Amino acid sequence: NAGVMQNPRHLVRRRGQEARLRCSPMKGHSHVYWYRQLPEEGLKFMVYLQKENIIDESGMPKERFSAEFPKEGPSILRIQQVVRGDSAAYFCASSGQGANEQYFGPGTRLTVT
Amino acid sequence: GNSVTQMEGPVTLSEEAFLTINCTYTATGYPSLFWYVQYPGEGLQLLLKATKADDKGSNKGFEATYRKETTSFHLEKGSVQVSDSAVYFCALSGIQGAQKLVFGQGTRLTINP
Repeated sequence: NAGVMQNPRHLVRRRGQEARLRCSPMKGHSHVYWYRQLPEEGLKFMVYLQKENIIDESGMPKERFSAEFPKEGPSILRIQQVVRGDSAAYFCASSGQGANEQYFGPGTRLTVT
Repeated sequence: GNSVTQMEGPVTLSEEAFLTINCTYTATGYPSLFWYVQYPGEGLQLLLKATKADDKGSNKGFEATYRKETTSFHLEKGSVQVSDSAVYFCALSGIQGAQKLVFGQGTRLTINP
């Protein structure tokens, strides 16, 4: 039973480019969460999605960031026009219906040069 | 709002020493409480959890008890090993299922042989 999968594991982008991060939840899980971890800090919630719906985006920056979880395929976190301050590790987690345990993927480490 | 405060690190101990990492929380209602562990270069792994007052979560020799009166969830282990070296995060989630996690800042633990 595969766990949460994220790709790519490492992503390098120049300032102004777009970054697309992908997350496939655990089999049977319909809830996806994205978190950001800045160097030497804890994880900060960004967005919570169910299939085709954004449930809570209270942690998402107002500009340049968007997320989706389509009916088919992985969840995507998209960052447009990246800046150096976007450099961080982005983690995806998933949970089952009605469950409060979240299972994390290995993360995508984004470096903006 | 909900928040989690953890004992500041880094913490360095010798093998077989007793470990305590303090965690206190502020929350409305009765949150679920978690400890996650992050090994270098990896995502977070759920270590243990407790969902109501006086519950004790335990796993791999680690324990934590949900103390409502002191709003605490301290992590303990009687005899640490070198392989326990990692960053430990205390977290809470809302009283309903499938809610975002609020994390403490993390405590880096190093165990010397």
